[in-house]
Amino acid sequence: AQKVTQAQTEISVVEKEDVTLDCVYETRDTTYYLFWYKQPPSGELVFLIRRNSFDEQNEISGRYSWNFQKSTSSFNFTITASQVVDSAVYFCALTNTGTASKLTFGTGTRLQVTL
Amino acid sequence: DTGVSQDPRHKITKRGQNVTFRCDPISEHNRLYWYRQTLGQGPEFLTYFQNEAQLEKSRLLSDRFSAERPKGSFSTLEIQRTEQGDSAMYLCARSTGGTGELFFGEGSRLTVL
Repeated sequence: AQKVTQAQTEISVVEKEDVTLDCVYETRDTTYYLFWYKQPPSGELVFLIRRNSFDEQNEISGRYSWNFQKSTSSFNFTITASQVVDSAVYFCALTNTGTASKLTFGTGTRLQVTL
Repeated sequence: DTGVSQDPRHKITKRGQNVTFRCDPISEHNRLYWYRQTLGQGPEFLTYFQNEAQLEKSRLLSDRFSAERPKGSFSTLEIQRTEQGDSAMYLCARSTGGTGELFFGEGSRLTVL
């Protein structure tokens, strides 16, 4: 069985602060994919990143960065210099390569960025 | 724009009534997925289609639920004899196949009174 845990239910930061969203996963598969999605107040889930289990290289995209560590089964997401527009619920998700895009999502972390 | 349109955006119904949701993805993506999201939770997989074939159904999809994708284009999700526990956001998504990223629609919110 697969499981994704996002222990942080809600985080509040002031604009320009850095914030890290934690994601811990469980799977018996050796090959799998990890994802992050953003769900703004409008409700539409927005794809942010996909990472396969063989690629532990960290990735940076603008103010966003991701830290994948197989040793701790974690795939954390950092927003640098947060902005009000980053306010949303962020979901981490997992799938193995044999199940198409049947994703197992975590419960999400609500990020509130204030001025 | 994720290329997935869902209709209606919000449906309020009384317990016991039937409801149907429609999903229209842009044509070139052959895989279509339905997920359900309840308040405070992440989306949960319900079912998916490759073209017109329904390839997998979650155990969450009781026999009151049926999904179709005639001709591999739009898809419908019907819930018969709705129950209050069916209240949720029903999300449709498309993908290019494999374990590609999912592109979600804005969802259809169901409220069962």
